[in-house]
Amino acid sequence: DIVMTQSPLSLPVTPGEPASISCRSSQSLQHSNGYNYLDWYLQKPGQSPQLLIYMASKRASGVPDRFTGSGSGTDFTLKISRVEAEDAGIYYCMQALKTRTFGQGTKVEIK
Amino acid sequence: QVQLVQSGPEVRKPGSSVKISCKASGYDFNSEYMHWLRQAPGHGLEWMGLISPSGDSTFYAEKFQGRIIVSRDTSTTTVNMELSSLKSEDTAVYYCARDHYELITGYLVPFDYWGQGTLVTVSS
Repeated sequence: DIVMTQSPLSLPVTPGEPASISCRSSQSLQHSNGYNYLDWYLQKPGQSPQLLIYMASKRASGVPDRFTGSGSGTDFTLKISRVEAEDAGIYYCMQALKTRTFGQGTKVEIK
Repeated sequence: QVQLVQSGPEVRKPGSSVKISCKASGYDFNSEYMHWLRQAPGHGLEWMGLISPSGDSTFYAEKFQGRIIVSRDTSTTTVNMELSSLKSEDTAVYYCARDHYELITGYLVPFDYWGQGTLVTVSS
């Protein structure tokens, strides 16, 4: 199984400031087609997860452009350019190359 | 609009089975894969299995092999997940979620829509 490792696991952030979450996979997530099968989700308290980023860098429909995904191979990053109060929750990375596995989650807390 | 509406909460005794449904609407039900995932209290997300658009192919996480069955009913646009030999560790919120393939680009958009979740409590 592909193991996904996120850091940090907890991230206190000040509104208006940037934030960054790292995700590493135990093997490359790059398919032979050149795409990286890495996605990012946000789960707000009491809600189902919502897709933010797919294929490492493509923003899902309706996702604000302050969210940016980057990376390739085994190292990926989710960046929030200016955090807003509504961005609080747990962020998960997930690999979709071989079945699906998630990272442990990063809890983003607004100061 | 796309909706995935799951059945209500369940309480089961250890050793029994539970069947959860996920009714899909707002898109071509026969064109997308559907997955089941779960989240134990205070824990992360765990993928359980999938079913193909036609329903003729399923694939399960090794952890659940032998006690999970995922099926789909085209006539009711519903996907079902049955988990047997329940243990207290199976207490969790169970989610259905669909994959979406963008025909024009060929992009895989995983889990773009989720059900609202179904709490299953296993307790004696």
